[in-house]
Amino acid sequence: ETGVTQTPRHLVMGMTNKKSLKCEQHLGHNAMYWYKQSAKKPLELMFVYSLEERVENNSVPSRFSPECPNSSHLFLHLHTLQPEDSALYLCASSQSKGGGISGANVLTFGAGSRLTVL
Amino acid sequence: AQKVTQAQTEISVVEKEDVTLDCVYETRDTTYYLFWYKQPPSGELVFLIRRNSFDEQNEISGRYSWNFQKSTSSFNFTITASQVVDSAVYFCALSEAQAWGGATNKLIFGTGTLLAVQP
Repeated sequence: ETGVTQTPRHLVMGMTNKKSLKCEQHLGHNAMYWYKQSAKKPLELMFVYSLEERVENNSVPSRFSPECPNSSHLFLHLHTLQPEDSALYLCASSQSKGGGISGANVLTFGAGSRLTVL
Repeated sequence: AQKVTQAQTEISVVEKEDVTLDCVYETRDTTYYLFWYKQPPSGELVFLIRRNSFDEQNEISGRYSWNFQKSTSSFNFTITASQVVDSAVYFCALSEAQAWGGATNKLIFGTGTLLAVQP
């Protein structure tokens, strides 16, 4: 497989369930991201991992818990979610160009996991 | 604060028409990067272009062209002779030159413009 792969593509869960979203990148990148895409809103950055360490947590509720066991895998653990958490969750990865300006890095996105919370 | 505004929520054109998607940004940085991404119905965002703040030269790639104007803080995207396959949501995004050290990049996205190209 190539690129960024996200599973599952669709997930329906109740408010008391525990589930996880998985992201895997096959690009050799060293940074990974979770974004939330809700209707009529800009994409919201949730978490960023660089070299498997979390470097950004944008005031995300604790019911979302990220995990990055290695540079190729990123998880988003979900617990006691609310209906307003229903959205498309996008994973992305990027690669530093070794001393290059980080703002220039191009993010490669997965196709997303469509989450519905009942 | 950084912000990206895409005022056009939806645009509908007929095939072969030209269409321009607007993007206006706000930043206090003198060095920054601008991006356009395409999101087809399949969901993944596809990278189209990256420009840095020091390069105002317009760029053309096939039927796509971009007009970067610092004086108006705009980075507009034009599709010439649109095709049905161009139907997608298009996102404009902004990043600082160095949000953090290392490999990461904090992109600020607009709300996107849904382009529908009718046959």
